Amino acid sequence: QKEVEQDPGPLSVPEGAIVSLNCTYSNSAFQYFMWYRQYSRKGPELLMYTYSSGNKEDGRFTAQVDKSSKYISLFIRDSQPSDSATYLCAPMDSSYKLIFGSGTRLLVRP
Amino acid sequence: DAGITQSPRHKVTETGTPVTLRCHQTENHRYMYWYRQDPGHGLRLIHYSYGVKDTDKGEVSDGYSVSRSKTEDFLLTLESATSSQTSVYFCAISEDRDDGYTFGSGTRLTVV
Repeated sequence: QKEVEQDPGPLSVPEGAIVSLNCTYSNSAFQYFMWYRQYSRKGPELLMYTYSSGNKEDGRFTAQVDKSSKYISLFIRDSQPSDSATYLCAPMDSSYKLIFGSGTRLLVRP
Repeated sequence: DAGITQSPRHKVTETGTPVTLRCHQTENHRYMYWYRQDPGHGLRLIHYSYGVKDTDKGEVSDGYSVSRSKTEDFLLTLESATSSQTSVYFCAISEDRDDGYTFGSGTRLTVV
């Protein structure tokens, strides 16, 4: 079993929809949680960074962590075609290394 | 990507040859990382550095070595390239160990 699991998708939504991207993990010691966005043939870029359980909002993006169920979510409001990318969740382990999920591919249709 | 450059961007090499990939940063960050990205496996850590001459192994370090003689440069060497090392290699940097990482644009390596 992988430490971090994500549905690979693709998840296809119409422009303007609310998108929910999810991730589960197995290690209860994870304390920091990040979301990265990766466009095709580009390097990942940091989108959101949260510590422990709770919500964090940044513009159209909201990251949610539920440590009790080991579940991480990223919500995108008013989705745009430019949001089409692969989204990687990445908890940080106790030795401060990021453990990446395989990513969920998102397609936002105009 | 601001402050971090990988070279070369693309490389094709033959099985058995040594290959060196370079990561150069202008941010003066202490931590540097090498990852490989493969379909179905996501990003996996190869080696990382926490200072000049201070390096350690990651999850998939077999067949790879690294060196960091200056803060700004982190080199990844494939001692004797194999087809299983065909991948996209990403370098990343972070200022502190609990910071988010900034990634380079990647090196696409093909071993034939």
